Amino acid sequence: LAKTTQPISMDSYEGQEVNITCSHNNIATNDYITWYQQFPSQGPRFIIQGYKTKVTNEVASLFIPADRKSSTLSLPRVSLSDTAVYYCLVGDPRGAAGNKLTFGGGTRVLVKP
Amino acid sequence: EAQVTQNPRYLITVTGKKLTVTCSQNMNHEYMSWYRQDPGLGLRQIYYSMNVEVTDKGDVPEGYKVSRKEKRNFPLILESPSPNQTSLYFCASSFSPGNTEAFFGQGTRLTVV
Repeated sequence: LAKTTQPISMDSYEGQEVNITCSHNNIATNDYITWYQQFPSQGPRFIIQGYKTKVTNEVASLFIPADRKSSTLSLPRVSLSDTAVYYCLVGDPRGAAGNKLTFGGGTRVLVKP
Repeated sequence: EAQVTQNPRYLITVTGKKLTVTCSQNMNHEYMSWYRQDPGLGLRQIYYSMNVEVTDKGDVPEGYKVSRKEKRNFPLILESPSPNQTSLYFCASSFSPGNTEAFFGQGTRLTVV
């Protein structure tokens, strides 16, 4: 899996939009970008996945530029319950057997009142 | 509801006393794996299974065993637990090996004294 780099932490306030950028300079042609959310003492939860341009679901949007060397997870109008660690992963969803998920350090997002 | 169920959620045990953490998924997923999460070390894969009767070591397999006799179950066995196995454990499943959309259990917090 391609290595990813993301900020260690970010603070925000309720109602604001939070944007977390992840760098993945060595992304391969077949790799997708996947984001997970993890609350304290809970398992990671899949948020969104994309290959290029923009993907949006009920939770977040994912923006991927044409060169795909980075991506930005956008959380609209965050609330206190969005306080969590967010992980960016890069890999081929149809990858080889045993291709494990590699979680880096993630970005700790703290939403303040 | 699609889910991965781990039991127990919390466990305190003594060194050397064999224990099993169960994991079950109801999504007919082929791929299952176990992770441990430790402060500063992130999520590390212990073992994975690509299908029934097919298992292999992850990054930190020492001191652990697994089995996959049925597609839905993937128990983690600690034959002789030691204090350095005190950790937060997560079971995960996905439709196929390498699939980056994985479902995680709620976690098992294990303390070995």
